[in-house]
Amino acid sequence: EAGVAQSPRYKIIEKRQSVAFWCNPISGHATLYWYQQILGQGPKLLIQFQNNGVVDDSQLPKDRFSAERLKGVDSTLKIQPAKLEDSAVYLCASSYGQGGHETQYFGPGTRLLVL
Amino acid sequence: DQQVKQNSPSLSVQEGRISILNCDYTNSMFDYFLWYKKYPAEGPTFLISISSIKDKNEDGRFTVFLNKSAKHLSLHIVPSQPGDSAVYFCAAAQGGSEKLVFGKGTKLTVNP
Repeated sequence: EAGVAQSPRYKIIEKRQSVAFWCNPISGHATLYWYQQILGQGPKLLIQFQNNGVVDDSQLPKDRFSAERLKGVDSTLKIQPAKLEDSAVYLCASSYGQGGHETQYFGPGTRLLVL
Repeated sequence: DQQVKQNSPSLSVQEGRISILNCDYTNSMFDYFLWYKKYPAEGPTFLISISSIKDKNEDGRFTVFLNKSAKHLSLHIVPSQPGDSAVYFCAAAQGGSEKLVFGKGTKLTVNP
């Protein structure tokens, strides 16, 4: 079974530029998550999708971050404009989405550096 | 406000000995706890979990203990192996929510 795929793996941009990350979850997984992991911290949930609907985006900085999962499969996370403090690893995870506590499977992440 | 705390940034043990990683939480509504392991340049991988109705869960060399009154859980690895060297994250969830709250992680080094 293929795991969660993410691209790009690394990205360097200058502040005020925009950037987009892509995630392809495990086939058949209805729930998709985007996490931000700043160096020295644990992952922090930014947004959770159930199919193509948003379940929780309470920690998403909506003035600059946006995410979509139009067809309920792939997802993109966008930052516009980027700030220095957005430098982090952006992790995508997925789970079956049948409710309750399910194992979340993580992708390798996209490491973003904002200069 | 850090709801899940891992106060030891790092831990070093000898191969074959026991590794004990600790985690404290402040939110009494958490009822499900997990440990994830992370190697460099990879995403976290699920290791073991425990529900608040239990005080112990075992899976091979890995055992998680939960002390609800102290709001404390620990992960025991016996015997430790060099391949266990990684960063270990403690995470918690509440109710039926899938939202995980992670600690900062503890870097475990197992020396041959």
